[in-house]
Amino acid sequence: DIQMTQSPSSLSASVGDRVTITCQASQDISNYLNWYQQKPGKAPKLLIYDASNLETGVPSRFSGSGSGTDFTFTISSLQPEDIATYYCQQYDNLLLFTFGPGTKVDIK
Amino acid sequence: EVQLVQSGAEVKKPGESLKISCKGSGYSFTSYWIGWVRQMPGKGLEWMGIIYPGDSDTRYSPSFQGQVTISADKSISTAYLQWSSLKASDTAMYYCARPGPGVVAATHWGQGTLVTVSS
Repeated sequence: DIQMTQSPSSLSASVGDRVTITCQASQDISNYLNWYQQKPGKAPKLLIYDASNLETGVPSRFSGSGSGTDFTFTISSLQPEDIATYYCQQYDNLLLFTFGPGTKVDIK
Repeated sequence: EVQLVQSGAEVKKPGESLKISCKGSGYSFTSYWIGWVRQMPGKGLEWMGIIYPGDSDTRYSPSFQGQVTISADKSISTAYLQWSSLKASDTAMYYCARPGPGVVAATHWGQGTLVTVSS
């Protein structure tokens, strides 16, 4: 099984700050990596697919990069509405998916 | 408009069986897989498995293999998640989801079904 780790597990930042979350896979997953946002009491929302592709309608302050085992998710300028938990998710050729443990983001 | 509408909240006792549903509308139901995701109270997301409604090809994550059954009835555009004998540890929110065109990720989500298992 491929294991996913995320860091940090939580962070506090000020409005306007640049926020970076990292996700690491236990083996090479190419660019098979997605990022989701989940607000309390809501279903997750896809933000980034295939490591760096912005989902339609998602603000451009969100971005993703990386390949292989190391990936980065960035919010270029944190907004109050970005308070949420963020999850990376890997998938393989058999369409077996695994989520990372999540990173909780709040406002300082 | 693509919609996934899940069945309502359930309260069950340990040992009971349960089947929850996810009805797709606004698209060709057999054209996209449906996945199920578990979220235990205060915890993270766990991918359970997927089903292709067209041929019922089903793929389970190792942690859920043998613990649940995923099925679908394409004639009524509905996918299911079922348990034969619930445990207290099955208490969770369960989401269904499907991908978008050309995207291997869950772009559309159901509203979630809360399952509570308590004696």
